Formats: sequence, C-alpha cells, structure tokens
Amino acid sequence: QVQLVQSGAEVKKPGSSVKVSCTVSGGTFGRHAISWVRQAPGQGLEWMGGIIPIFGTTNYAQKFQGRVTITADKSTTTAYMELSSLRSEDTAVYYCARGGDGGGIGFYYYVDVWGNGTTVTVSS
Amino acid sequence: DIVMTQSPDSLPVSLGERATINCKSSQSVLFSSNNKNYLAWYQQKSGQPPKLLIYWASTREFGVPDRFSGSGSGTDFTLTISSLQAEDVAVYYCQQYYSIPYSFGQGTKVEIK
Repeated sequence: QVQLVQSGAEVKKPGSSVKVSCTVSGGTFGRHAISWVRQAPGQGLEWMGGIIPIFGTTNYAQKFQGRVTITADKSTTTAYMELSSLRSEDTAVYYCARGGDGGGIGFYYYVDVWGNGTTVTVSS
Repeated sequence: DIVMTQSPDSLPVSLGERATINCKSSQSVLFSSNNKNYLAWYQQKSGQPPKLLIYWASTREFGVPDRFSGSGSGTDFTLTISSLQAEDVAVYYCQQYYSIPYSFGQGTKVEIK
C-alpha cells in the first residue's frame, strides 16, 4: 500500500526558509503528480503547487510564485517543498499529496493518498 | 482563478437521515474533450489528513461506502450522504482540478443533530 512519509515538525524564524520532505513508498513514484497542500490552524485547505516527477514539470499557485520551490528525486522517491521568506501567516500543517490517475493512465491533481502532514510554526 | 463555494458551512443531521452538501464553482470545470467534470470531494476528520471520497464528480473511490454519492456538472455539484452514520462526522471539502490553482471549497462541517 502506498505511503507518503513526511519529515518532522519545524519551528522557524520570520524571514527564514523551510524545506519539507515527502518519501513515497509502495507505489510507482514517477507515475503520479505530487502536490503540496497546506492548512492553517482551524482553516481550510490551500493548494500550493505540484510536480510530475517523471517529467520534472512543476506548477505553482500564483500566490506562492517566487517563494516556493517543489522538487523531486526519483532515485530516492522523495519530493521536497521549500518555502522562503517565511512569515507568521505561513504557520500551518503542510501535506504532500499524491495525485490520482483518473482510473486510467494520466496525471491529475485530485489527491488519492495524503501524507501525514508536517507542522511548520513561524515565530520570532 | 476558480473560486469554489460550498453551502452550508455547517450541517446538523440526525443519525440515519440524508445529508446534502453543495459546491459551486465560479466557472465550469467540465472539460469538453472528454466530457469529464474535474471535481473531487474529501472528508477530513479531526486531527487527520483528508480522505478522498469522490473524483470526476461522481466516481466513488475504492473502499468508500456507497452511502456517499456525488452528482452535478459544469458549475454546480452535490455530495450526498444517504444515511448519516456517527463516523461520518467530519468536514467535507470539494476541490476543482481543472485549472491552476487547484482550489478547494471552504469546507462544510457535518455534525449530529
């Protein structure tokens, strides 16, 4: 069964950067899109961006353009999300999320498997 | 950007009764070339990551109980829980995966009346 295991909680200072990892096991890493979705305390879900590892192509929400970088290492089946210039509003749980295949062969950005979540706290 | 708006924000339902959640997109998420609606539904229980229930607006994910069903097309969608069980207490989200950013609705909290 597919599992997405994320790195541990982080506490960061405003203005710094954070890099969260997501290791995929039990599936075919390159054949699904990987998204990063965040959830601020008591709030809803927000899609930040994604990558298709087999192609290396990335897509980002305009809101995060220039501040977020998503990468993937096929050799270790690990995806990464780096967010820079952190501010207090970036305090959230960050999820990596595997995109579904639509019931066939394809790269879609609905999520069929979620990571366990990484809490990032930004505080001075 | 496509804005997803759910209604209601909160939904108290008696056990065994029907729960209906609406989701409206600010523009159509129906892709004409394959006639598919790029709309998914998720369930999130307290302290857990979300869980996929429905994709393509009406295709139930493997293992999801058949009391959950999705319907709708274009800009108007519905998630129905035909007979609410205690374990269905959660927040439910719709998401469009038609265009970037792949936005979510604000969530609907389903609770027992």
